[in-house]
Amino acid sequence: QDQLVQSGGEVKKPGASVKVSCKSSGHTFTGYGFNWVRQAPGQGLEWMGWISAHSGDTTYEQRLQGRVTMTADTSTNTVYMELRSLRSDDTAVYYCTRDISDYWGQGTLVIVSS
Amino acid sequence: DIQMTQSPSSLSASMGDRLTLTCRASQDISNSLAWFQQKPGKAPKLLLFAASRLESGVPSRFSGGGSGSDYTLTISGLQPEDFATYYCQQYSTTPYTFGQGTKVEIK
Repeated sequence: QDQLVQSGGEVKKPGASVKVSCKSSGHTFTGYGFNWVRQAPGQGLEWMGWISAHSGDTTYEQRLQGRVTMTADTSTNTVYMELRSLRSDDTAVYYCTRDISDYWGQGTLVIVSS
Repeated sequence: DIQMTQSPSSLSASMGDRLTLTCRASQDISNSLAWFQQKPGKAPKLLLFAASRLESGVPSRFSGGGSGSDYTLTISGLQPEDFATYYCQQYSTTPYTFGQGTKVEIK
């Protein structure tokens, strides 16, 4: 059964970094691309970027460029999203999704607070 | 960036109603459109892709249409489990932008 399982919630201070993992199972990992989408409390969905599990090619939302890095580990079928220089408005639930977002992880709550 | 505008932002409806939600892109997205349903505290769920293709397991009361820059999601015969927020997303050009959502509430 296809599944995406994300790492647990995090509380970070402003200026810190966070790295969220998303482990894929039930399908050929390198056959897909993965997106990261976030949702601030009470707000809508924001696409953050995409990574090819096959090539490692990435494309990021321009506003996050320079603060975000997405990587893929084919040995563990896991994609990662690292966000640096965290601010309070980065507080959100972070989701990984597969390709056209037919599968979603369960979400990871990241709270940025001093 | 392609802007996605959904209307209405919210609506109240009754069980059995037929609803049409709209999503307008700021440019032609050539049917590269997905619709998602999200319930409180849950991850969104894909309903349709390529504007009108129903995702496996999604009830046939959901249908999608449109072309160019204008798209619709129709729910024929609203069921209790359909009360949720619906988002459209274009995947024609990065960044793959979402609409702001339409919240469907019980009248």
